[in-house]
Amino acid sequence: KAGVTQTPRYLIKTRGQQVTLSCSPISGHRSVSWYQQTPGQGLQFLFEYFSETQRNKGNFPGRFSGRQFSNSRSEMNVSTLELGDSALYLCASSSGQGASSYNSPLHFGNGTRLTVT
Amino acid sequence: GNSVTQMEGPVTLSEEAFLTINCTYTATGYPSLFWYVQYPGEGLQLLLKATKADDKGSNKGFEATYRKETTSFHLEKGSVQVSDSAVYFCAIGGSQGNLIFGKGTKLSVKP
Repeated sequence: KAGVTQTPRYLIKTRGQQVTLSCSPISGHRSVSWYQQTPGQGLQFLFEYFSETQRNKGNFPGRFSGRQFSNSRSEMNVSTLELGDSALYLCASSSGQGASSYNSPLHFGNGTRLTVT
Repeated sequence: GNSVTQMEGPVTLSEEAFLTINCTYTATGYPSLFWYVQYPGEGLQLLLKATKADDKGSNKGFEATYRKETTSFHLEKGSVQVSDSAVYFCAIGGSQGNLIFGKGTKLSVKP
């Protein structure tokens, strides 16, 4: 079974630009979560989608948004990039049958490393 | 809200040494507890989990017991290998349906 696939692996953008990251979950998984990983803040939850609906959201500004398609693939968008948005963005999928996806194990992709200059 | 605190690293051990990485938690209710591992250049992988008090999670020689009386979930392995070198994260279920991770502990095992 193929794992979680994130594209691209690396991105370099300039302040003020916007970026879209893509995530393909494990086949059959309906929940997709996004996390931001930085050396200073560690791993922080961005949002979770289940069956095309945002089910949970972390404490990030509105510049961070996402969506999920009918095939469970998900995209994350960051608008008006800031230097502080440089991070590894991790996507995780799960079967997510319960109200909280963490009750089903999260399967992470290898991440997209975004550098903002 | 729920949170975890894990020991800061880095931790450097010789091969076959005993490993303990401390993790304590604060929580309302009885959330599940997890250990994840991240190898260089990769995402996180679930190492083990425990869903209720006194549960012991185990995998690949690693163990952790959900201890309610000490609010702890320490990770242990009796004999580490070079291939165990990685960053280890303790995590707890959060109120937003997410996982809340500790800062991570980098383990380096020398031959």
